Amino acid sequence: DAKTTQPTSMDCAEGRAANLPCNHSTISGNEYVYWYRQIHSQGPQYIIHGLKNNETNEMASLIITEDRKSSTLILPHATLRDTAVYYCIVRQTSYDKVIFGPGTSLSVIP
Amino acid sequence: DTAVSQTPKYLVTQMGNDKSIKCEQNLGHDTMYWYKQDSKKFLKIMFSYNNKELIINETVPNRFSPKSPDKAHLNLHINSLELGDSAVYFCASSPLVSGGGDTQYFGPGTRLTVL
Repeated sequence: DAKTTQPTSMDCAEGRAANLPCNHSTISGNEYVYWYRQIHSQGPQYIIHGLKNNETNEMASLIITEDRKSSTLILPHATLRDTAVYYCIVRQTSYDKVIFGPGTSLSVIP
Repeated sequence: DTAVSQTPKYLVTQMGNDKSIKCEQNLGHDTMYWYKQDSKKFLKIMFSYNNKELIINETVPNRFSPKSPDKAHLNLHINSLELGDSAVYFCASSPLVSGGGDTQYFGPGTRLTVL
């Protein structure tokens, strides 16, 4: 079973910020939070990851709560090309099995 | 330049046949993976190799045999194909980062259809 829970689907208006929540209440101290997305028929694409601190890159921002039990992926200005399934996973090292849940299907609406 | 490549992109075959899917990464990564994504869209890990050594082997029928001739390649051979093997198979790679935390890079996928 996945170690994370996410809403099944979300809508976001084009140009607005998309905030995708993820719960990972059983996360351990050494596990990172990763976000990937999968655009229809393509391979999953890495977005961002973090351990404790909030992170930002050219694609998104990751906000991790102080207790690390939940996080939010923020796409600051959603475009139609951001329509995809977004996966939140927790993982420590390459030796850990990666478990993808069903993710959140984000629809960006014109 | 393609980071993680898979061949073929599409594979249609009859039940009972044996087929292989090839994966190559030019990122210099130490770890490679095979995932299966079925019709319900769940992405499940099958195998993981680090420097040609098997490190993760999920409950996968032994008709599936991964082979890693070198750390840049991880091929998947499937014997006696069954209808339930129809899925999209993704290869991925990641660096081995000391202290934890690594990012996986996925290939474009191979859509296998067993008739």
